[in-house]
Amino acid sequence: SQQGEEDPQALSIQEGENATMNCSYKTSINNLQWYRQNSGRGLVHLILIRSNEREKHSGRLRVTLDTSKKSSSLLITASRAADTASYFCATDANTGFQKLVFGTGTRLLVSP
Amino acid sequence: GAVVSQHPSRVICKSGTSVKIECRSLDFQATTMFWYRQFPKQSLMLMATSNEGSKATYEQGVEKDKFLINHASLTLSTLTVTSAHPEDSSFYICSARGGDSWNEKLFFGSGTQLSVL
Repeated sequence: SQQGEEDPQALSIQEGENATMNCSYKTSINNLQWYRQNSGRGLVHLILIRSNEREKHSGRLRVTLDTSKKSSSLLITASRAADTASYFCATDANTGFQKLVFGTGTRLLVSP
Repeated sequence: GAVVSQHPSRVICKSGTSVKIECRSLDFQATTMFWYRQFPKQSLMLMATSNEGSKATYEQGVEKDKFLINHASLTLSTLTVTSAHPEDSSFYICSARGGDSWNEKLFFGSGTQLSVL
């Protein structure tokens, strides 16, 4: 399976702290994306980083990509209770139809 | 951004019945849609890729006769769970790629929680 793995599986922090999630994948990619899922809902796209990029920012989000290690990290700075959700990385893995394969996810709990 | 509408959000059915789930792209044309299945606290598992006007491509281990997918128009794909059984109970999510600059991202429906009694 080309499914990525994320760690930690669960992360519990206080508001204002930073949250870091890591994703590892197995095959070569065109890009890697991060999605957020609130409980019982669909996923929302957060950020996309291409294979030739090493770092990308979007608001309080910072994503890094290390293709030599086949890994990526998502940093959420100054977390808020509303950031509580599950976060998934997804890779396209050079597949037909541009399908995405999702990682195992990190469940983030931000306490007020 | 693009909006994908999925209906119903929740369905409870008796074992042996069939259930149809609809996925619509509201403000863009989706040539490709994807159907995922998700168990509690687990990741999304891709079931099939749906292409408008052609047969769906199923992932290994997914029964195509069990999970019927129809993508008859550029804005609608349907997943029918035929002769549902309790083990089919799960959260089903559709997603779509738009055209142009959107086509690298997926836009997701809000999901359908299927409970088979």
